[in-house]
Amino acid sequence: AQSVTQLGSHVSVSEGALVLLRCNYSSSVPPYLFWYVQYPNQGLQLLLKYTTGATLVKGINGFEAEFKKSETSFHLTKPSAHMSDAAEYFCAVSLYNFNKFYFGSGTKLNVKP
Amino acid sequence: DVKVTQSSRYLVKRTGEKVFLECVQDMDHENMFWYRQDPGLGLRLIYFSYDVKMKEKGDIPEGYSVSREKKERFSLILESASTNQTSMYLCASGPQEMPFYGYTFGSGTRLTVV
Repeated sequence: AQSVTQLGSHVSVSEGALVLLRCNYSSSVPPYLFWYVQYPNQGLQLLLKYTTGATLVKGINGFEAEFKKSETSFHLTKPSAHMSDAAEYFCAVSLYNFNKFYFGSGTKLNVKP
Repeated sequence: DVKVTQSSRYLVKRTGEKVFLECVQDMDHENMFWYRQDPGLGLRLIYFSYDVKMKEKGDIPEGYSVSREKKERFSLILESASTNQTSMYLCASGPQEMPFYGYTFGSGTRLTVV
């Protein structure tokens, strides 16, 4: 069975500071990996994804994530937080032959002025 | 851009009512999903559908049913609403190659059952 663990349900950073949101997965085969963002009272929006190829992937709004197979991790980073980054972030995993996603429980990012 | 439209943003219903949540997508996607989202629990899959008239149970199907009579529309039905079904409901769709492309989500319906 697949599972996704997001460490820290709430993360708080100062504006301009590094953002690091952690995601670890368990999978018996190489998965496809996704990060979604949810702004208040909205649906989820795709931030970035890893399928194959380069393990460092860049997404929208200056976010990036690195797939580390040895650590089964796909952590999300942004060098400098902006107030508009305050939202909830979800990591998700899917398998190439299975049309179903497994979501982490989410991390709420708070950005302090 | 793919658009997934949920018919209501906010809904208030009474206990025991039959409730219909509608979702329409405009990109000819084969796959459609219903999730509920609750604080601290993340997204939990209720039902999904790979094709017209086809449905499969997700992780928490109890108290819900679905209907997919047309490819673009996937309805979630609460047969007899209860207060523990107060939640945010999210619809999503994806193409056949969804594991590669990911889902597209609607804006959500916040349902309150009183």
